Amino acid sequence: DTAVSQTPKYLVTQMGNDKSIKCEQNLGHDTMYWYKQDSKKFLKIMFSYNNKELIINETVPNRFSPKSPDKAHLNLHINSLELGDSAVYFCASSPRVKGDTQYFGPGTRLTVL
Amino acid sequence: AQKVTQAQTEISVVEKEDVTLDCVYETRDTTYYLFWYKQPPSGELVFLIRRNSFDEQNEISGRYSWNFQKSTSSFNFTITASQVVDSAVYFCALSEALSGYSTLTFGKGTMLLVSP
Repeated sequence: DTAVSQTPKYLVTQMGNDKSIKCEQNLGHDTMYWYKQDSKKFLKIMFSYNNKELIINETVPNRFSPKSPDKAHLNLHINSLELGDSAVYFCASSPRVKGDTQYFGPGTRLTVL
Repeated sequence: AQKVTQAQTEISVVEKEDVTLDCVYETRDTTYYLFWYKQPPSGELVFLIRRNSFDEQNEISGRYSWNFQKSTSSFNFTITASQVVDSAVYFCALSEALSGYSTLTFGKGTMLLVSP
C-alpha cells in the first residue's frame, strides 16, 4: 500500500504549456505539502495545506497554483511553464503541522524543453 | 530564521568503514524537531529519524546512530560498518514547533559514496 503517491512520475513538456501533478495520501494525515528539489538537490517548501486550507505559501510565482479538493489530495497546477521550472517536485504529508514527521511521495521529475 | 548546515558535500568511504555525517542547525525557538532523511539513487526521500529538542539522548538503530548535542547545535549521524547500499544523499532538516505553522528547512545534503 503506497502511503503518499504522485502522478505522473515523469513529465516532459514544452515551454509555455500548462501541466498538473497529482498527489494523494492514504495515511489519514491533515497536512500536505509541496516541495521543489532543484538540480543541486536543494529541497525547498513551496506550499502547505491543512485540512484543505492553504497555510503556507512561500515566494513561489503565481503560475504555480495548488488545489486541495479534500484533505487526502493536493494537486499542483503550473501555468506557462518555463525552463527554470525543471526540477523534481515532492509531495509530502504529516499528521499535524508543528513538528510532525513528513512522509514524502516518490517525486515527479518535470523537464521543460 | 532557521537554518541547517551540512558542511560535507560529498564523502567517499570503502565498505565496512564507519562514517559520520555532520549537521549544524540554527534556531531561535526552544522547541524544535530535527530529522534525517535518506535519498538513494532511485530518488525517493526516506525518513530515518525525528528528534525533539528536549530529548538529548543518543539513539541507535542497527548500524545507524545519532548524536544530538544542544550545546553545539549539532545532530550528527554515524553509519557503522558502511555498506554499498548506504550510498545516498542524506539530508538533515529542522522544524520549529512554536512559531506559527512550521515547515521543514533542509540542509543541502551530503552525498555518501560507499565503494566495495
